[in-house]
Amino acid sequence: GAVVSQHPSWVICKSGTSVKIECRSLDFQATTMFWYRQFPKQSLMLMATSNEGSKATYEQGVEKDKFLINHASLTLSTLTVTSAHPEDSSFYICSARQGSNQETQYFGPGTRLLVL
Amino acid sequence: AQSVSQHNHHVILSEAASLELGCNYSYGGTVNLFWYVQYPGQHLQLLLKYFSGDPLVKGIKGFEAEFIKSKFSFNLRKPSVQWSDTAEYFCAVKPGYSSASKIIFGSGTRLSIRP
Repeated sequence: GAVVSQHPSWVICKSGTSVKIECRSLDFQATTMFWYRQFPKQSLMLMATSNEGSKATYEQGVEKDKFLINHASLTLSTLTVTSAHPEDSSFYICSARQGSNQETQYFGPGTRLLVL
Repeated sequence: AQSVSQHNHHVILSEAASLELGCNYSYGGTVNLFWYVQYPGQHLQLLLKYFSGDPLVKGIKGFEAEFIKSKFSFNLRKPSVQWSDTAEYFCAVKPGYSSASKIIFGSGTRLSIRP
């Protein structure tokens, strides 16, 4: 199946700093990418949907100025957590969808963020 | 609001036992249905999906799921589990045909298999 990678796989940062997480579709072009957040022992919560070349659509309650999403190409989307705080510590997962509405989403391995 | 319910948070079985994980959703229209698995330390992988056609869907690793429209259910089954099936299982629903519709995940069921 299609492969989605994320970098870094884990990151520790100080409170107040910004962290950028990359999501890449390795063997297909992703017209749509999704960013999720997963708390321990809980389900994935969709944060935002991004389409290549356009602004991301954020879910209710997700601060777009705090979680900056850029989908500059058909194989790369980035999530930047700005001015990170300990409560932003979580597991961030991206997924990518290749084309039409019927296409399956392929998930990245996730990035674990710990803000000290 | 649309939601997905997975009734069992943690299921513990012995090897060779049969498995059924429940999943119900609340949406009256057309849906696409998925089961994802997350093995310890790994990323989400698609087990199986239903878009249309035969409501009994076969997936990888011997899993299957049955879509029962009248019950708004999409239960996951496996006749004989193995220790390697230990993982977190997520049911997911994508309402409607619109490309703007989002996949909604259930809270997950942790499956532990005793060797």
